[in-house]
Amino acid sequence: QVHLVQSGAEVKKAGSSVKVSCKASGGTFSNYTITWVRQAPGQGLEWMGWIIPLLGRTYYAQNFQDRVTITADRSTSTAYMELSSLRSEDTALYYCARIVGASWFDPWGQGTLVTVSS
Amino acid sequence: QSVLTQPPSVSGAPGQRVTFSCTGSSSNIGAGYDVHWYQQLPGTAPKLLIFGNGNRPSGVPDRISGSRSGTSASLAITGLQAEDEADYYCQSYDSSLSGVVFGGGTKLTVL
Repeated sequence: QVHLVQSGAEVKKAGSSVKVSCKASGGTFSNYTITWVRQAPGQGLEWMGWIIPLLGRTYYAQNFQDRVTITADRSTSTAYMELSSLRSEDTALYYCARIVGASWFDPWGQGTLVTVSS
Repeated sequence: QSVLTQPPSVSGAPGQRVTFSCTGSSSNIGAGYDVHWYQQLPGTAPKLLIFGNGNRPSGVPDRISGSRSGTSASLAITGLQAEDEADYYCQSYDSSLSGVVFGGGTKLTVL
């Protein structure tokens, strides 16, 4: 059974960058597509982008195209999401998930809280 | 403003049936893209509840069902239980945005 474990909470200054990791176990990482979703405090879910680790191919949501970079290290079965030029509105829980059937997300990581302070 | 529209809240008494609506447009649900549903219990990550409009992953009870029609989708829970109290989100794909879209979520309160 696939299990995703994310890195711990981060506190960052506005204008800096953050890199969150997502380590997979229980399956064949190269066969996955990993996606990232964020949730601001008290708000809904917002899709950020995905990566196919086998191909290194990425696709980003329009809202994040200029600031997000998603990468993957097949040797450690770990995906990364880096968000740059942080602002207070980026304070949120960031989740990774596996895309199944090219469509739905399952399972999800436990989430990583990123707090951006000015 | 979410691309998929969900009512902010629904409520029901234990044992009752509740439904959640998810309204889209011709560029997402109406274009035939599948709808998926997630349950988010307080303080936890979202969990897949329904995939491909009406399919339940293993472990999800059959009192939970989903459907899609036209530009909308719906989720139904029968035999409501206190443990069902959570936020519920619909998800699909939008061809105009060329990306994944979520509804704003519906908070279920079990009275």
